[in-house]
Amino acid sequence: TQLLEQSPQFLSIQEGENLTVYCNSSSVFSSLQWYRQEPGEGPVLLVTVVTGGEVKKLKRLTFQFGDARKDSSLHITAAQPGDTGLYLCAGGQGAQKLVFGQGTRLTINP
Amino acid sequence: DTEVTQTPKHLVMGMTNKKSLKCEQHMGHRAMYWYKQKAKKPPELMFVYSYEKLSINESVPSRFSPECPNSSLLNLHLHALQPEDSALYLCASSPPIYRGAAFFGQGTRLTVV
Repeated sequence: TQLLEQSPQFLSIQEGENLTVYCNSSSVFSSLQWYRQEPGEGPVLLVTVVTGGEVKKLKRLTFQFGDARKDSSLHITAAQPGDTGLYLCAGGQGAQKLVFGQGTRLTINP
Repeated sequence: DTEVTQTPKHLVMGMTNKKSLKCEQHMGHRAMYWYKQKAKKPPELMFVYSYEKLSINESVPSRFSPECPNSSLLNLHLHALQPEDSALYLCASSPPIYRGAAFFGQGTRLTVV
């Protein structure tokens, strides 16, 4: 089974600061997704990256897929309290299976 | 319509009960999934349906029985569950051109007493 390791697992920062969350694996993935999940709700898809080296921007969020398609990062600029939540990376494993990382619980303090 | 709708949102059931979870999507997606998520853990895949046929069963106990009546609906029938089966059950779907992305419903919070 391919594994995805996310770091850090917990992150608490002040409003306005920048942060980066990492998602790493020793395996190659055909695609990689980032989700955000609120307590008691389902994960909401933020982005899908499929090409090695790909960079996608979603307002203050920047997502990068590693050249070898084994890792990804999520960078948030000028974090806002509304960014608080659980961020999950998930790798496409073919045959329509998603492998999830353990998640990063992000808290932005006003 | 870009939603995956799950009902009920909350369910409490006894260990001898039979209940069903329902999931519906109208995005034309031909793959649908059931995931189970325990507190402070990531979602774990249970079943995958592709074009209304069961394609993946992740060795789930038979007390969980999935059903896909048509391309828009997915059910999960529950019978003789254990308290440790209490969790958030998530339904998801993905488009025909599969790029890995899955769209999740809001989940059903199941408590087995």
